Amino acid sequence: EADIYQTPRYLVIGTGKKITLECSQTMGHDKMYWYQQDPGMELHLIHYSYGVNSTEKGDLSSESTVSRIRTEHFPLTLESARPSHTSQYLCASSEYVSYEQFFGPGTRLTVL
Amino acid sequence: GNSVTQMEGPVTLSEEAFLTINCTYTATGYPSLFWYVQYPGEGLQLLLKATKADDKGSNKGFEATYRKETTSFHLEKGSVQVSDSAVYFCISQNSGGSNYKLTFGKGTLLTVNP
Repeated sequence: EADIYQTPRYLVIGTGKKITLECSQTMGHDKMYWYQQDPGMELHLIHYSYGVNSTEKGDLSSESTVSRIRTEHFPLTLESARPSHTSQYLCASSEYVSYEQFFGPGTRLTVL
Repeated sequence: GNSVTQMEGPVTLSEEAFLTINCTYTATGYPSLFWYVQYPGEGLQLLLKATKADDKGSNKGFEATYRKETTSFHLEKGSVQVSDSAVYFCISQNSGGSNYKLTFGKGTLLTVNP
């Protein structure tokens, strides 16, 4: 069973607030990923990391930022949330780049 | 670039019906292919995979065969249950080198009625 956690599961906030979405995994995976899932279900890679102190932007441009100070932790931050950031955010990890990705349960963010 | 095209939903079936969700891909080289499932309110989880041509992935009664000649990886199940109601994603991943990224299909929502 995958051990990857995301908090909070649901978040409703007002415009302009700074937020951090947490993602942690206990599998010791080097590779971690953030996806944005739109209401039509399609997933888009917004950030990824190959290991500590490594972060890269994904295919979909995002105003969010990420950090990877510890192997198990890959938080995503929005400095100033806007209604256009309303979405489901999914975190994932994998042991190697070509291996199965394990997904967290997601955070559903609503910005009013 | 790579792409994955899967059958648009939603798909609504009665319990014990036969399920097929079509998936075709374009890719350079020979990608690995996956079906992931997303149950309501949850993240994605791997359902089955195939890493080379003619491989058949299977799990929980679901099957898919990697068909290189038709560049397809159709998902099938002989008798669906209400608990199979979920969104199904067909995904490809190039193997080898540093090209690790997953290419997602748009997802197919399946609803199974009792």
